[in-house]
Amino acid sequence: DIQMTQSPSSLSASVGDRVSITCRASQDISNYLAWFQQRPGKVPQLLIYAASTLQSGVPSRFSGSGSGTDFTLTISSLQPEDVATYYCQKYDNAPLTFGGGTRVEIK
Amino acid sequence: QVQLVQSGAEVKKPGALVKLSCKASGHTFTTSYIHWVRQAPGHGLEWVGVSNPTYTTAYSQSFQGRVTVTRDTATSTVYMELRRLRSDDTAVYYCASGLGSIAVYWGQGTLVTVSS
Repeated sequence: DIQMTQSPSSLSASVGDRVSITCRASQDISNYLAWFQQRPGKVPQLLIYAASTLQSGVPSRFSGSGSGTDFTLTISSLQPEDVATYYCQKYDNAPLTFGGGTRVEIK
Repeated sequence: QVQLVQSGAEVKKPGALVKLSCKASGHTFTTSYIHWVRQAPGHGLEWVGVSNPTYTTAYSQSFQGRVTVTRDTATSTVYMELRRLRSDDTAVYYCASGLGSIAVYWGQGTLVTVSS
């Protein structure tokens, strides 16, 4: 099975900072990658699919890039409401594995 | 407006089985993938399995034959049965659906507690 590895596992940044999270697949998954945000105590929400397509209603400060095995989620200007754990997920074939998550906090 | 409404919390003993439901509305159920994802307390998201529109299913090997997902088109409901429950199956179980195999819409989650 393909493994999904996220880094870092947590980060702390100031409001307004540019933040990047990396997700690496153990094999080529083309662009079959989604990013989810899970705020504390809440249900996960889709942010990005097809590696770089912003889901409707998601603020434009979120962006995704990459293909093949290396992907990045970027928040261009961190806001207080972005405090959450972020997960990548492959969806090319089963199993649809999630990355381990990256917890984002405000410094 | 797509909605996924899940059944209520469950408390089970080790070795028992649990069957959760997820009722969908607001989209074409017959063409929808319905996934199950779980989250143990303080842990990340774990994909459990999926029911495809063609009535085929796929599961995470982590469950080693303990899980079955079925769908009832007449009631737009998908079920997940997990057998031989263990304490580490304690988790919130989510159903999710949406754009092809992408989990756009999520249910509210069902807490399953396994305890003797």
